[in-house]
This record gives sequence, structure tokens and C-alpha cells, in this order.
Amino acid sequence: QSVLTQPPSVSAAPGQKVTISCSGSSSNIGNDYVSWYQQLPGTAPKLLIYDNNKRPSGIPDRFSGSKSGTSATLGITGLQTGDEADYYCVGWDSSLSAYVFGPGTMVTVL
Amino acid sequence: EVQLVESGGGLVKPGGSLRLSCAASGFTFPNAWMNWVRQAPGKGLEWVGRIKSKTDGGTTDYAAPVKGRFTISRDDSKNTLYLQMNSLKTEDTAVYYCATCLTVCMTAEYFQHWGQGTLVTVSS
Repeated sequence: QSVLTQPPSVSAAPGQKVTISCSGSSSNIGNDYVSWYQQLPGTAPKLLIYDNNKRPSGIPDRFSGSKSGTSATLGITGLQTGDEADYYCVGWDSSLSAYVFGPGTMVTVL
Repeated sequence: EVQLVESGGGLVKPGGSLRLSCAASGFTFPNAWMNWVRQAPGKGLEWVGRIKSKTDGGTTDYAAPVKGRFTISRDDSKNTLYLQMNSLKTEDTAVYYCATCLTVCMTAEYFQHWGQGTLVTVSS
């Protein structure tokens, strides 16, 4: 059972927008920064968003992040077939003294 | 170019031991905090543990499922990170990645750079 909660899957047509929620608690998301990772099939994860809403160099602005209270959201606009992947939110949990990953959300482009 | 190359995975019996290595290049390894993250077949990502740089104390933190069985260490002279895994269980079967944060870690640590992973299978 994950400390962070994400929907198992989301889907939309090419060009549309999807949002992925990540719900936690005051000991993790509510108390620290959130990051998001994309994992394409058969590959290592890639950092998409850090500090709740910043993008590393090379990540297109179609990807965005936000945080409010104990929840965070990843948005993907202009959906492309290449965006089909699993997406994970991550935070530091001060009660566990550990990084906690969400269970992952599979994005499907219809 | 930042490179992280894991090695040492393989098949081991329950109760056995295995040591993984992560060879780093393209950055100043002694300054980096290093992490291990694993992924069981068909499952999500799970943080295993981390080791801080020696200048930041060189201390380690572990996830509850591996605490007391796994040990993370580093050899800065060889630019190599290690994961010693003892008392292995079938549920430790996973791809093990090493990961680090180099340029976006002003406010917090993130998993910015990843290796390709090495598969550990615990089975009788």
C-alpha cells in the first residue's frame, strides 16, 4: 500500500490534455517538494518535474506541475503517442525518513 | 556526459547475498549523494536507500523493507557506489537502479540521473 495515491490510469486523444493527481499527507507532500518521473516501457525513469513545478533542461513546457496542500498534479498538454508511459510522483516522508513513490499512473493516448 | 552503470545482478537463492556496483563517470562523484531505487517485475518504483557525500557526513538512510539487511557504501577513489544485499527474500527480486542529483538539487534531492539498472532474481 503506497503512502502516496495516484490514479492507476488516465487516457485522452492526441493533442488533448491529461492531469495526474498525487495525494499524500502532511508528513510528505504537505511538508516538502514533489517531483515527477516518466518511465517509458523498458527504460529507466526520467525526471520531468522538480521543486513541485520546475522542469529540467530539455523537458518541453507541455509538462507542468503544481502543488496545493497535501496534493500535487502533473499536467500534460498536446498529448503525443510518445507520451504513453508510466508517471510517478515522489516526495520525502519525514515520518518514515524515506523517499516515497506513488504507485504510478499509466497514460494511454487513444 | 553523466554515466551510471550498474552491475552485479543475477540469480541468488533466498537467504543468500549479492553485491551490486554502480560505476559513475562524467561528474564529481565524491560530491554526489547517491541512491538506489528498485522496481519489481511489472510493479512500481521503490526507493531502497541513499548515501550522502563524505563532506555531508557520508551517512546512510534505508527504506523499512531493507533496513538491517542491505548496506550502501561508496568508494570515492573508484567513483563507485555499492549495495550489499544480505538475507535476500523472493520479494527483493527487482531491477535495481542507482540514481543521483547533480544540477537541480538546490532545494531538495531528486533522482535526476539514472543508470540502466541490473536485475536481481531471488529464487530457489
